[in-house]
Amino acid sequence: DQQVKQNSPSLSVQEGRISILNCDYTNSMFDYFLWYKKYPAEGPTFLISISSIKDKNEDGRFTVFLNKSAKHLSLHIVPSQPGDSAVYFCAARDSGTYKYIFGTGTRLKVLA
Amino acid sequence: DTGVSQDPRHKITKRGQNVTFRCDPISEHNRLYWYRQTLGQGPEFLTYFQNEAQLEKSRLLSDRFSAERPKGSFSTLEIQRTEQGDSAMYLCASSLETGEAFFGPGTRLTVL
Repeated sequence: DQQVKQNSPSLSVQEGRISILNCDYTNSMFDYFLWYKKYPAEGPTFLISISSIKDKNEDGRFTVFLNKSAKHLSLHIVPSQPGDSAVYFCAARDSGTYKYIFGTGTRLKVLA
Repeated sequence: DTGVSQDPRHKITKRGQNVTFRCDPISEHNRLYWYRQTLGQGPEFLTYFQNEAQLEKSRLLSDRFSAERPKGSFSTLEIQRTEQGDSAMYLCASSLETGEAFFGPGTRLTVL
């Protein structure tokens, strides 16, 4: 049972344009949502997070939007840069168990 | 460097051998997590600790797997009688009671 879903396995974007990565979840007990970036042979690197009581959080070029009614969140990267090319994982924290549940990732390629 | 560290970074072993991995979390973090990641998948939860108490183990963790965090600081993950299906990246993460989980670089296990 995949509680966190990233339905797009890959995304290509031109440098300077906006990248939008999407994530859907099913568990209403999730209270905190996170995005991680991962390069091959490295651990995931934390990017940005959002609490379930908010609908937007911004940090530089990265903005995360949360739509609780739709159980959907998205990560916007603008402007996209070639160094943003990596696999991006969406994660959600279960408020009862404090486990972080991850999606399967979206591979972003930013073309120069 | 005050991040999460893992040792070794790579381990190659023969089927049937035992292996042990170590994780040193960020010093003030009381929660420590172990995840496993295989190609094309997101990190899968294995187990987690709050201080020295192991609070949950995933059904993915067979009896051959054991984890400890004896003094509430570093943790070890042992796999007994390794099988080829155990080949994966083993990730450790730590967090405060609230907030983001920060990951180490991972230990890549290859079972021949």
